Amino acid sequence: AQSVTQPDIHITVSEGASLELRCNYSYGATPYLFWYVQSPGQGLQLLLKYFSGDTLVQGIKGFEAEFKRSQSSFNLRKPSVHWSDAAEYFCAVGGNTDKLIFGTGTRLQVFP
Amino acid sequence: EAQVTQNPRYLITVTGKKLTVTCSQNMNHEYMSWYRQDPGLGLRQIYYSMNVEVTDKGDVPEGYKVSRKEKRNFPLILESPSPNQTSLYFCASSLQGPLHEQYFGPGTRLTVT
Repeated sequence: AQSVTQPDIHITVSEGASLELRCNYSYGATPYLFWYVQSPGQGLQLLLKYFSGDTLVQGIKGFEAEFKRSQSSFNLRKPSVHWSDAAEYFCAVGGNTDKLIFGTGTRLQVFP
Repeated sequence: EAQVTQNPRYLITVTGKKLTVTCSQNMNHEYMSWYRQDPGLGLRQIYYSMNVEVTDKGDVPEGYKVSRKEKRNFPLILESPSPNQTSLYFCASSLQGPLHEQYFGPGTRLTVT
């Protein structure tokens, strides 16, 4: 069955610290992987996506993610977090169907 | 400005009273979708439409209806709302399907008492 697991429900970091949000997926075919961000009171916005090629992908707002097929993971990283990064982050997987499966989200809190 | 709009943004209603949440996009997108967001459950897809006059069920379609008579509009209809449909609802659109970047509306918070 297709699924996405985000094991961390809530993460707190200090401003300026590095960040890694975990995402593990289960998908029977070649996965297409996404990270979306939801700022408070707003809809979701695409941060980055991986379809093929270089396993390290760059996104908006200084985020990057690395696809590791052997670990079925697609973790999101940022070297230095800003207070405006406080939001909820969703990993999603899709492929040869008409559906995108979202994870349950990780809420990021940033302390000054 | 390219955007997805939803109305209303907030709605409190009673069990059994039919309601419609409108969704409109101005980007000429083929694909539109409705999601509900619940704490601990993330986003779950209700219905989607690959293009005009074509709709299909998502993962949680029970209790909902949709229509796609025009490319830009994709209303969500609750014929007889129940308290378990209290949720935050998002409409989204993309150029051709869920693997293209989806643009989300601002959300509609629905409370059914």
